[in-house]
Amino acid sequence: DAGVTQSPTHLIKTRGQQVTLRCSPKSGHDTVSWYQQALGQGPQFIFQYYEEEERQRGNFPDRFSGHQFPNYSSELNVNALLLGDSALYLCASSARQGQGQPQHFGDGTRLSIL
Amino acid sequence: GQQLNQSPQSMFIQEGEDVSMNCTSSSIFNTWLWYKQDPGEGPVLLIALYKAGELTSNGRLTAQFGITRKDSFLNISASIPSDVGIYFCAGQLNSNYQLIWGAGTKLIIKP
Repeated sequence: DAGVTQSPTHLIKTRGQQVTLRCSPKSGHDTVSWYQQALGQGPQFIFQYYEEEERQRGNFPDRFSGHQFPNYSSELNVNALLLGDSALYLCASSARQGQGQPQHFGDGTRLSIL
Repeated sequence: GQQLNQSPQSMFIQEGEDVSMNCTSSSIFNTWLWYKQDPGEGPVLLIALYKAGELTSNGRLTAQFGITRKDSFLNISASIPSDVGIYFCAGQLNSNYQLIWGAGTKLIIKP
């Protein structure tokens, strides 16, 4: 049973470019959340997708956008990259229905902006 | 963004010692979660707590959901070398809501 998978594992971009990160949820999960983790800090919530719609959003600018596909996989897009966008981007999946459905994480995409 | 107050920031311990760390919040949460993150990897769920006062164990790990719903602690008994890493607490207002995270406790075992 595959867990949460993310691609690519590492990415290097320059300021002003655009990037797309991908996530496949754990089998049986239908909800995907994205987090940004700066070095030495805890993750910060970006947004959550369920039924192909953005359901919740954290305090991130509109440069951060996402998408969820019918197979529950998801993409995170970041436009006009800034140096401060350098971070580990984590995807988490969970099952929507039922109590006690914790989020399970992938190993993240390490994004470096030059 | 909002973060929980997690302490200590780091711990240097001898192998075999017990470890204790905690998280506090000014807000009430209905779920507390504890994760461990190793270098180059994503957070791995250790223990999930869903009820105020709940005490849950996972092997040598024990965690409690504070009665006020504003705090939680994690204990590790008889630490071993593979326990090194960063431990994070996370609070969740309701199921399927975003996780609010602490800044982490870095556990280092002295040789």
